[in-house]
Amino acid sequence: GAVVSQHPSWVICKSGTSVKIECRSLDFQATTMFWYRQFPKQSLMLMATSNEGSKATYEQGVEKDKFLINHASLTLSTLTVTSAHPEDSSFYICSAGPTRDSSQYFGPGTRLLVL
Amino acid sequence: GNSVTQMEGPVTLSEEAFLTINCTYTATGYPSLFWYVQYPGEGLQLLLKATKADDKGSNKGFEATYRKETTSFHLEKGSVQVSDSAVYFCALSYYGGATNKLIFGTGTLLAVQP
Repeated sequence: GAVVSQHPSWVICKSGTSVKIECRSLDFQATTMFWYRQFPKQSLMLMATSNEGSKATYEQGVEKDKFLINHASLTLSTLTVTSAHPEDSSFYICSAGPTRDSSQYFGPGTRLLVL
Repeated sequence: GNSVTQMEGPVTLSEEAFLTINCTYTATGYPSLFWYVQYPGEGLQLLLKATKADDKGSNKGFEATYRKETTSFHLEKGSVQVSDSAVYFCALSYYGGATNKLIFGTGTLLAVQP
């Protein structure tokens, strides 16, 4: 149980285009989902907290107009990278939670490459 | 503020060797502590956890003890296997923005050779 999927797993796009990444909880309902960004050999950095039916809460330094988050249902959250640029290339990971012990269930990640 | 520091990798061991991956933290209050593991091509999975001082988390032969006096949560395993090859992340929980969030260390790549 507690499986989180992400789609796509890999995406390459041209600079200036927008890319949407989906995060789904497959066998449970997730009122809260988290979006992380991971650079090579670095930690996961929390970008935003997504709550079903309300606006996302962004961490300091994350541009909310650049990274649009929508959590329209209890099983789906989406991250849209708008007008992507090469510096947006990264590994994006979503998770669902927190559970009673504060842990989270993680998706497998989406690798974005902006040319 | 809150932060997690873990030893840099990669850590390369032979099968059946003893494993230690160091993790120290700074935190306000009393966070829960976690070790997550990421196998190639997969998402992070919770390996073990400890929610208060002196708690020992254990799973699949891995152990870690929540040491408040040294602010540490070192991961250990007595005899590693090739299948343990993965990236290991130490993390702590903190309360922010009306929910519990996680902050991670940089991850340690473990490579176990037969």
